[in-house]
Amino acid sequence: DAKTTQPTSMDCAEGRAANLPCNHSTISGNEYVYWYRQIHSQGPQYIIHGLKNNETNEMASLIITEDRKSSTLILPHATLRDTAVYYCIVRVGNSGYALNFGKGTSLLVTP
Amino acid sequence: DTAVSQTPKYLVTQMGNDKSIKCEQNLGHDTMYWYKQDSKKFLKIMFSYNNKELIINETVPNRFSPKSPDKAHLNLHINSLELGDSAVYFCASSRGVAGDTGELFFGEGSRLTVL
Repeated sequence: DAKTTQPTSMDCAEGRAANLPCNHSTISGNEYVYWYRQIHSQGPQYIIHGLKNNETNEMASLIITEDRKSSTLILPHATLRDTAVYYCIVRVGNSGYALNFGKGTSLLVTP
Repeated sequence: DTAVSQTPKYLVTQMGNDKSIKCEQNLGHDTMYWYKQDSKKFLKIMFSYNNKELIINETVPNRFSPKSPDKAHLNLHINSLELGDSAVYFCASSRGVAGDTGELFFGEGSRLTVL
């Protein structure tokens, strides 16, 4: 699976959009981009995933660049409860392989 | 109803003991996983079972033995516990190889402390 690079930490003011970047320059054509988050002491939670098109769900939006070498997870109106570690993972879709979590980005949402 | 449940949530034990952590999922999923999160917060895959068959077995000491009596359960037994086994162990499930979308559902974790 391709490696990903994320900033170690980020801050965001409550109510503002949180934009979390991820570089995956070695991604191959059949690899999807997944985002998970882990709120302190809880199990990781799936957020969203995509292949090449932008995706949106009730939690977030995923913007993937045209060359697919990077992506951005957008939390449109961050709340204090969005404070968590966010993981960007790339993996071959429908493969049954486990997701390998990296170090992630620690997002702090401040009042 | 909790989708993926693990027991116990906390476990404190002495070095050398044998302990088990149980996991059950009520989502009808075919694939289950065990992950380990150490003190540095790295989350690493240990094992994966699909329909009771082992499909992923990362480099884990053979003191760790997973057992899947049916596809809704995946238990983790650890023999001769060592200090380095102290970690949070997460169980997860997903639909399975055929319908896999990469969406894993995680349990709340079992914090193991070895003294």
